[in-house]
Amino acid sequence: QVTLKESGPGILQPSQTLSLTCTFSGFSLSTYGMGVGWIRQPSGKGLEWLANIWWDDDKYYNPSLKNRLTISKDTSNNQAFLKITNVDTADTATYYCARMRPWELYFDYWGQGVMVTVSS
Amino acid sequence: DIQMTQSPASLSASLGETVTIECLASEDIYSNLAWYQQKPGKSPQLLIYDASSLQDGVPSRFSGSESGTQYSLEINSLQSEDAATYFCQQHHDYPPLTFGSGTKLEIK
Repeated sequence: QVTLKESGPGILQPSQTLSLTCTFSGFSLSTYGMGVGWIRQPSGKGLEWLANIWWDDDKYYNPSLKNRLTISKDTSNNQAFLKITNVDTADTATYYCARMRPWELYFDYWGQGVMVTVSS
Repeated sequence: DIQMTQSPASLSASLGETVTIECLASEDIYSNLAWYQQKPGKSPQLLIYDASSLQDGVPSRFSGSESGTQYSLEINSLQSEDAATYFCQQHHDYPPLTFGSGTKLEIK
């Protein structure tokens, strides 16, 4: 059974760095072709892909967030991480991590999401 | 970037009816399209990938099709549990991966 769960700070102030953790089970990021992605959704709005990391540590980022994103993984502990630097109120959203089936660019299992609020 | 134009933004239909939601890709995505269902307060769930392949466990009343760069999600025999927001996503080329803006389906 594949499960993913996100964790994060809940609330942070503008200009701080947001650190998110995705803890998963039922699959391994050391499996050939496997990937994990991060997607966010402001309340009542659409979905925005942020980044994803592959089994071989290859990483892809959304160019619209320029150089603010860093994705990483800890394969031995079944975790993936996302950092967003210099947050702004526009980063207030629910953040999801999701599994990417080997060699595929869609998301077949999603976490429950973690709500993050950026406020002074 | 590949733009996904989804329509309609919302629709209302009765139990047992059939509805169609569409996504238009800004360029050829070679059938690399996924559909997700998101119920209020829940995370999205994969319904269809590769334009017409049904994810395991998804009822057969959901189906996907394509015509050129236009992709459609059809839901037959609407049931109350189908009330949700539906999103398309191109999985052909990235970065970035891109989603449609969503269609909110209300069941009368």
